[in-house]
Amino acid sequence: AQSVTQPDIHITVSEGASLELRCNYSYGATPYLFWYVQSPGQGLQLLLKYFSGDTLVQGIKGFEAEFKRSQSSFNLRKPSVHWSDAAEYFCAVGPILTGGGNKLTFGTGTQLKVEL
Amino acid sequence: DAGITQSPRHKVTETGTPVTLRCHQTENHRYMYWYRQDPGHGLRLIHYSYGVKDTDKGEVSDGYSVSRSKTEDFLLTLESATSSQTSVYFCAIRAGDTNSPLHFGNGTRLTVT
Repeated sequence: AQSVTQPDIHITVSEGASLELRCNYSYGATPYLFWYVQSPGQGLQLLLKYFSGDTLVQGIKGFEAEFKRSQSSFNLRKPSVHWSDAAEYFCAVGPILTGGGNKLTFGTGTQLKVEL
Repeated sequence: DAGITQSPRHKVTETGTPVTLRCHQTENHRYMYWYRQDPGHGLRLIHYSYGVKDTDKGEVSDGYSVSRSKTEDFLLTLESATSSQTSVYFCAIRAGDTNSPLHFGNGTRLTVT
């Protein structure tokens, strides 16, 4: 069964500092990986995804993530955090499919607080 | 904007009453999903649909049923609401091919008293 672990429930960083949010997954084959962000009272917005190819993927809002197969990780990074980045971040994993429903498994989320 | 509308946005109901949540999409996507979000659990899949009248269970389907009589609407029903079903419910669609990401609605906050 696929699973996702986000070991940090809360993270606080200063505005302008760099950010790394951790995500570890468990899956028996090459996974399809995502990062989503959720602002209060809103749905989840896709930040980036990894399907295949270059293991460093760029997303929206200046975020990037690196797929490391040997570590079963897909950590999210941003070089300089802005106050508007304060939100909850979810990592998700799903199977690469040729047909059928793509059922994603989500981590429990990391709440990011940005100090001014 | 993936054209997903969830209704109602907020609902308070009493234990034992039936509740139906609606997800409406405007773009005729085949796959639709219902997730619930709870602190410490992230999002968990309740049911999903891969076409009109074609649905399947997710990991937390007990106490929930779904129906999809039209491509654009996916209904989630709590036959007899319990306090453990107090949660935020999100509908999602998969736009595009098999490996496209999910796009989410803005959620329904349900409180069962």
